[in-house]
Amino acid sequence: DAGVIQSPRHEVTEMGQEVTLRCKPISGHDYLFWYRQTMMRGLELLIYFNNNVPIDDSGMPEDRFSAKMPNASFSTLKIQPSEPRDSAVYFCASSHKRGPPYEQYFGPGTRLTVT
Amino acid sequence: AQSVSQHNHHVILSEAASLELGCNYSYGGTVNLFWYVQYPGQHLQLLLKYFSGDPLVKGIKGFEAEFIKSKFSFNLRKPSVQWSDTAEYFCAVNGGSGSARQLTFGSGTQLTVLP
Repeated sequence: DAGVIQSPRHEVTEMGQEVTLRCKPISGHDYLFWYRQTMMRGLELLIYFNNNVPIDDSGMPEDRFSAKMPNASFSTLKIQPSEPRDSAVYFCASSHKRGPPYEQYFGPGTRLTVT
Repeated sequence: AQSVSQHNHHVILSEAASLELGCNYSYGGTVNLFWYVQYPGQHLQLLLKYFSGDPLVKGIKGFEAEFIKSKFSFNLRKPSVQWSDTAEYFCAVNGGSGSARQLTFGSGTQLTVLP
């Protein structure tokens, strides 16, 4: 099992540019979560999907952020336009049908720097 | 809503010292409990989990945790820490009054082990 895969691992972009982060969950997992981690705010849940359908996006900071899951093996988080305060590490996690306890498995993260 | 408290923000220990990190969660019925570890520059990895049965749970790398329902606690322990245990530790919970699949994380405890 390859684990949760995220790309790119590092992204440096200028303010105003569009950024797209990608995630491939573990095969067979039916839930996918997007988190943001910063020193100031810690780990924040942005949005999560069940069977490709967004369930709760209340953590998405503003309209500049959007997320999609077109199929069970791929999700994107897009920021348009990006701002310096979006600089953070973005993690994707997935969990499987079997459970409880429904633990989540995290990807390696994307470190985003917006200059 | 479910909440998780980690009262120790930063713990500094010498190698071979014993470790106990506190975690308390708000009441909400049946819950599943987790400890995750994040080594510097890496993603969150599952250390251990509890959902039923023996309240003393053993995890990887010699860690264990005890679920005390009457105290709403799930403290993490290790009898003898190593320099390589330097990391941030997160307690998390799902179920109860919250979603069965959405994890609520504590704010994390940074552990520094001095050689």
